[in-house]
Amino acid sequence: GENVEQHPSTLSVQEGDSAVIKCTYSDSASNYFPWYKQELGKRPQLIIDIRSNVGEKKDQRIAVTLNKTAKHFSLHITETQPEDSAVYFCAARRTGANSKLTFGKGITLSVRP
Amino acid sequence: GAVVSQHPSWVICKSGTSVKIECRSLDFQATTMFWYRQFPKQSLMLMATSNEGSKATYEQGVEKDKFLINHASLTLSTLTVTSAHPEDSSFYICSASQPGIYYEQYFGPGTRLTVT
Repeated sequence: GENVEQHPSTLSVQEGDSAVIKCTYSDSASNYFPWYKQELGKRPQLIIDIRSNVGEKKDQRIAVTLNKTAKHFSLHITETQPEDSAVYFCAARRTGANSKLTFGKGITLSVRP
Repeated sequence: GAVVSQHPSWVICKSGTSVKIECRSLDFQATTMFWYRQFPKQSLMLMATSNEGSKATYEQGVEKDKFLINHASLTLSTLTVTSAHPEDSSFYICSASQPGIYYEQYFGPGTRLTVT
């Protein structure tokens, strides 16, 4: 089955700096890679996703890049703000109604004011 | 985006009793729903995949007789934790897969279960 590795496990940045979170996956058939932000006690919130037919996607301060050959994808957050502090999960999945998401272990991002 | 609700949002029960958690897709028909469990400071762990009108598929190590899943309609799936024990205390989250090209998943708000 799919295995998603996420690193580092914690990341602390100064407000205004950029943060980069990296994930690797093992299943070459995975073609959908979402990123979720989870605040304490709340549901995972989809913040951006990328499919295997593109290499990069951007949405305001957030971007995701995908390297299919190396089987890794990264989340980039620019101009970080304290409200970006949360746990971030990457995930990978194949296409299909029953295809299950495999999550990384999560990273706790702390943005220092 | 699509909306998924869960009920209750939190529940406290005594050891040995059963608890039912509902997951509803409010504005779309979900052919597939997923149930996850999340312990503090850990990732989401998939428990089972459920399809409307058929038996759920459980992940390895998840007791199907303990965690009963019923997907009775295209908008409702239920998880019943039977004979609950303190170690079942966790955050249970469902997600619903929206039919389409990519079958995007939308998560419910989660249910905090505490077994005393």
